[in-house]
Amino acid sequence: QSALTQPASVSGSRGQSITISCTGTSSDLGSFNLVSWYQHHPGKAPKLMIYEVTNRPSGVSNRFSGSKSGNTASLTISGLQAEDEADYYCCSYAGTIPKIFGGGTKLTVL
Amino acid sequence: VQLQESGPGLVKPSETLSLSCIVSGGSISNYYWSWIRQSPGKGLEWIGYIYSSGTSNYNPSLRSRVSISVDTSKNQFSLKLSSVTAADTAFYFCAREDSTIDAFDIWGQGTMVTVSS
Repeated sequence: QSALTQPASVSGSRGQSITISCTGTSSDLGSFNLVSWYQHHPGKAPKLMIYEVTNRPSGVSNRFSGSKSGNTASLTISGLQAEDEADYYCCSYAGTIPKIFGGGTKLTVL
Repeated sequence: VQLQESGPGLVKPSETLSLSCIVSGGSISNYYWSWIRQSPGKGLEWIGYIYSSGTSNYNPSLRSRVSISVDTSKNQFSLKLSSVTAADTAFYFCAREDSTIDAFDIWGQGTMVTVSS
């Protein structure tokens, strides 16, 4: 399987909402509700933000939400804050390869 | 629970890359433990996992060169990647997978490995 497709970068102003897409195929992301999202500040450990498409781990702000339609999953961040500026990666179960990731999206908060 | 990767930051081409991940603050038992890498300018790539019992699974693209082992007595697991080339230059992360949610819930900070003579 190829990597999942994410936009290289997105930006938004403080207080606004942004959405990051993650596109796979009917063989991976489209067939399983096992999409997770990770926030990565360079130099730090990546952090799980969303699992099983829509679920937030304890301690993750409810400004972060996930969804999926067909072969595309999305991460929405509402009420953008400066600390949200980071790289975001999607990940999906893919059957023959247990995990495939997206190429990552750099979020800039203006 | 915290994870900490360790190992050489520089490996020569054709040699074997060896990294360890120490698990602190919790037991290594009853979890899947993965290695994930990020090549410069690229996204994340899952390398493989090992369960605490020793069962392992690897990315088909790397299977012929990868070995992951676990030492429950030391609460650590290790990665060996043989016959490395410059394409194996990357940040290497270790991570714990919570199989009940099919997601990596704990990650190490990562360690940079450069393949160069």
